Amino acid sequence: AQSVTQLGSHVSVSEGALVLLRCNYSSSVPPYLFWYVQYPNQGLQLLLKYTTGATLVKGINGFEAEFKKSETSFHLTKPSAHMSDAAEYFCAVSGTGGGNKLTFGTGTQLKVEL
Amino acid sequence: DGGITQSPKYLFRKEGQNVTLSCEQNLNHDAMYWYRQDPGQGLRLIYYSQIVNDFQKGDIAEGYSVSREKKESFPLTVTSAQKNPTAFYLCASSIDLVGGAEQFFGPGTRLTVL
Repeated sequence: AQSVTQLGSHVSVSEGALVLLRCNYSSSVPPYLFWYVQYPNQGLQLLLKYTTGATLVKGINGFEAEFKKSETSFHLTKPSAHMSDAAEYFCAVSGTGGGNKLTFGTGTQLKVEL
Repeated sequence: DGGITQSPKYLFRKEGQNVTLSCEQNLNHDAMYWYRQDPGQGLRLIYYSQIVNDFQKGDIAEGYSVSREKKESFPLTVTSAQKNPTAFYLCASSIDLVGGAEQFFGPGTRLTVL
């Protein structure tokens, strides 16, 4: 079984400030981890993913995330927030056991203020 | 351009009626998925399919049915047995069902039961 917990359903930052969105996972097998972004009334777009190898993963739009096995975490960061980053962000996990079934967190709504 | 199309974008249904949501992809992907999204609950897997004429139940399959007669098409029927069908429905595809494969999402269909 696998699960994802996203701490903070709403996060607000000032433009230019650090963005930190938290994700903790539970998985009985080595996980694959994903971050997706969703703009209002649209589908999801992949920001980045961790499968194997380097634990610091860089994605699109300046986002990155670090896989920390000891902490079962995969937090998403961006050094400087932009107004266009305002959206909902979802962390997801799938197991290495096959099937590519994603389990999503409940999402974090990011607000960027001037 | 390759991608996933879903139609219609908005759908209204009277209680007791079945309704079918369309999902088409031209990415030549083998695997396709249907998710349901409710506010504050993230995405939940309804059905998924690895190949033509084969599909598996996800976590919340009750009250839904699917078919996979063509590789590029994976329609979802919301039946009258689904007690609370009002939601945002997202279709996705991936190259296969191997863990870690990126899932590409369509723009979604918002279903409202009147």
